[in-house]
Amino acid sequence: GQQLNQSPQSMFIQEGEDVSMNCTSSSIFNTWLWYKQDPGEGPVLLIALYKAGELTSNGRLTAQFGITRKDSFLNISASIPSDVGIYFCAGPHGATNKLIFGTGTLLAVQP
Amino acid sequence: DVKVTQSSRYLVKRTGEKVFLECVQDMDHENMFWYRQDPGLGLRLIYFSYDVKMKEKGDIPEGYSVSREKKERFSLILESASTNQTSMYLCASSPGGQGRNYGYTFGSGTRLTVV
Repeated sequence: GQQLNQSPQSMFIQEGEDVSMNCTSSSIFNTWLWYKQDPGEGPVLLIALYKAGELTSNGRLTAQFGITRKDSFLNISASIPSDVGIYFCAGPHGATNKLIFGTGTLLAVQP
Repeated sequence: DVKVTQSSRYLVKRTGEKVFLECVQDMDHENMFWYRQDPGLGLRLIYFSYDVKMKEKGDIPEGYSVSREKKERFSLILESASTNQTSMYLCASSPGGQGRNYGYTFGSGTRLTVV
C-alpha cells in the first residue's frame, strides 16, 4: 500500500540545535499533517498544511507543504529536552480519506 | 478533558490465545481507528469504522477482526495470537462522518507481547 518515508530515521542532537526532517511520498497528497508522540503516549497533532507551498508555524516548529505535493518538511528551532519523541508525518489517502502515517523520526535531545 | 482510553497499557498473552483490545472514547466521535506501531515502520492501519456496526479493512487486517456495537467503543480482536503480532497498538478517534477531520485523538497505546 501507500507509504510515507521519513528521513532521518533518528537524530541525536544537543539542546539548542536546530532540527530538520522530511517526509516523501510516491503520490500526491492534498493535506500534510505532522504529529508528535511523547514517550509512553499516543501521537498528538502539531501542524496541518492544506496548500502546496504553504509554510505554517507553531511556536518553534515550522512545517512546509512541498511544491510537488509529494513531500513535506518540519523544522524545530532551538531544541529543548521536551522536544524528545517520535515525529510522524501523515496524510489522507484513498476514497475514505483515512490517514496514512510515515515511518517516523526519533528525536533525542541531550541537555 | 476529552479522552480515548485503552483498557490495558501492557499485555502478555500466549500464542494461540484469543485477545481483545478495548478502546473507548468520550467525545461522541463517529470515526474510530486501530493502528499498530513498529520501529522503522511507523503506524499502520489495521481496521477502521465510520459508524456503529460498520467496519472497513485497513492496510494490514490479516489476523485481526474488530467490533463496534456502540458508538463509543471499538474493540480489536486477535483471533489466534501469534508472535508476529507483538507490537504497540494505538486506538484513535475523530469527528465527522467520512473522516475528513484529521484531528485524530489517540489513546496511550497497549503494548502487547505474545510469547
